[in-house]
Amino acid sequence: QVQLVQSGDEVKRPGSSVKVSCKASGGTFSGYGISWVRQAPGHGLEWMGGIIPVLGSAEFSPKFQGRVTITTDKSTRTAFMDLRSLTSDDTAVYYCARGPGTYPSNYFDYWGQGTLVTVAS
Amino acid sequence: QSALTQPASVSGSPGQSITISCTGTSSDIGGYNYVSWYQQHPGKAPKVLIFEVSNRPSGISNRFSGSRSGNTASLTISGLQAEDEADYYCSSFTSSTTLLFGGGTKLTVL
Repeated sequence: QVQLVQSGDEVKRPGSSVKVSCKASGGTFSGYGISWVRQAPGHGLEWMGGIIPVLGSAEFSPKFQGRVTITTDKSTRTAFMDLRSLTSDDTAVYYCARGPGTYPSNYFDYWGQGTLVTVAS
Repeated sequence: QSALTQPASVSGSPGQSITISCTGTSSDIGGYNYVSWYQQHPGKAPKVLIFEVSNRPSGISNRFSGSRSGNTASLTISGLQAEDEADYYCSSFTSSTTLLFGGGTKLTVL
C-alpha cells in the first residue's frame, strides 16, 4: 500500500521560506516521479514542478522557476519542496504527488494528504 | 502559461450522462497524448480518473471515460450518482515540458 505522508501545517512570515517534506512508504521510491501541486483557498490546482529521481532531472513551472527547489533523499524515501520569498499569495495547501518514473511524469496516482502553508504578518 | 479552459460548472440528474470539456492548444492537449483527469471532493486530495487521454487506472469505474478531439479533451461520466458530486480537473503536458491544469469544473448532481 503506497502512502505519501507530508509534514505538518506551517505559518510563515512574508519574505521567509518554507520546506515541506513528503515521505513515501510502500512500493519503490526511485522508480517514480514526484511533483508538487498547490491549491490556494477556493482555487484550482497548480503544478509547481517535479523530479524523476532515477533521471536526476527536475522541471519547474515558469511561475516558480528560481524560487522553488525540489529534492529527494533516497535513503529516507523522502521528497522535499523548498519555496522562498513567500508572499500572502503563497497561502495554499501544498500536495506532493507520485507520477510515472518515465519522462514525462505526466499524471499522479498517489497523493499526499496536503500541507497548509499560511503566509501572514 | 494560462490554465486550460473548463466550464465553471455542470449539472445532471442521477442516471444521466454529463461531459466536461477541457480546451487547450496544439502546444498542450492537441500535441501530446498526456491528458489526465482528476476528481476532488471537498477537503480531500485529488484522485486520478483518466490518464493519457483515455486510460482508466485500476479500480476506477468504467462510468468514467476520456476522449480528445483536436485541442479539446473531454471527460464523460455516465450513470451519474450522488457521490460523483465533486470538482473535476483536467491536466496536460505542454511543449514547455511543464504540466498545466484546467481551472476546474464543479459538478452538481441534482
